[in-house]
Amino acid sequence: KAGVTQTPRYLIKTRGQQVTLSCSPISGHRSVSWYQQTPGQGLQFLFEYFSETQRNKGNFPGRFSGRQFSNSRSEMNVSTLELGDSALYLCASSPDRVSEQYFGPGTRLTVT
Amino acid sequence: KNEVEQSPQNLTAQEGEFITINCSYSVGISALHWLQQHPGGGIVSLFMLSSGKKKHGRLIATINIQEKHSSLHITASHPRDSAVYICAVPMYSGGGADGLTFGKGTHLIIQP
Repeated sequence: KAGVTQTPRYLIKTRGQQVTLSCSPISGHRSVSWYQQTPGQGLQFLFEYFSETQRNKGNFPGRFSGRQFSNSRSEMNVSTLELGDSALYLCASSPDRVSEQYFGPGTRLTVT
Repeated sequence: KNEVEQSPQNLTAQEGEFITINCSYSVGISALHWLQQHPGGGIVSLFMLSSGKKKHGRLIATINIQEKHSSLHITASHPRDSAVYICAVPMYSGGGADGLTFGKGTHLIIQP
């Protein structure tokens, strides 16, 4: 089976712009979670989607949003980018909401 | 909210040594995850365990639910084991379907 894929792998954006990141889970996996990793804060949970519904959300402002499609692919969007949004964004998929998660390679976002 | 403490933060050892990384958490959980992250960002799930002990090759993970403590051991360590090892637990009540909260990671370097 193919692993979790994320696109794009690298992205450079300017403050104030918005960005959309994409995650394709492993075939058959229905849960997708998103995480942000920065040198200062480490790994932090953003949100989890299952069956096209957001099931959990971390402590992030409303500028961070996401969605999941019927084929389980997921996107996350960050509006009005700030310098502090520069980070590695990781998604992980799981067959259900309680099993082991499989991580994608991440999207490295740089905001200038 | 669950708090996760990992120790040590940094560990340098010689090839062949037995390595132990510790993780403590504050709220009862259903399962704990050990993750490995190599330079470049990719994260691999090593273990998900809810009781006792699991073994994959030279890696062993143990958990003591009563003491809220887990350890990751590496036997006969090798330079390719050099990576950041991260412990993660559910954020809140310990229900399986929670977002994860992460330790700050242990940066392991194995010297030849």
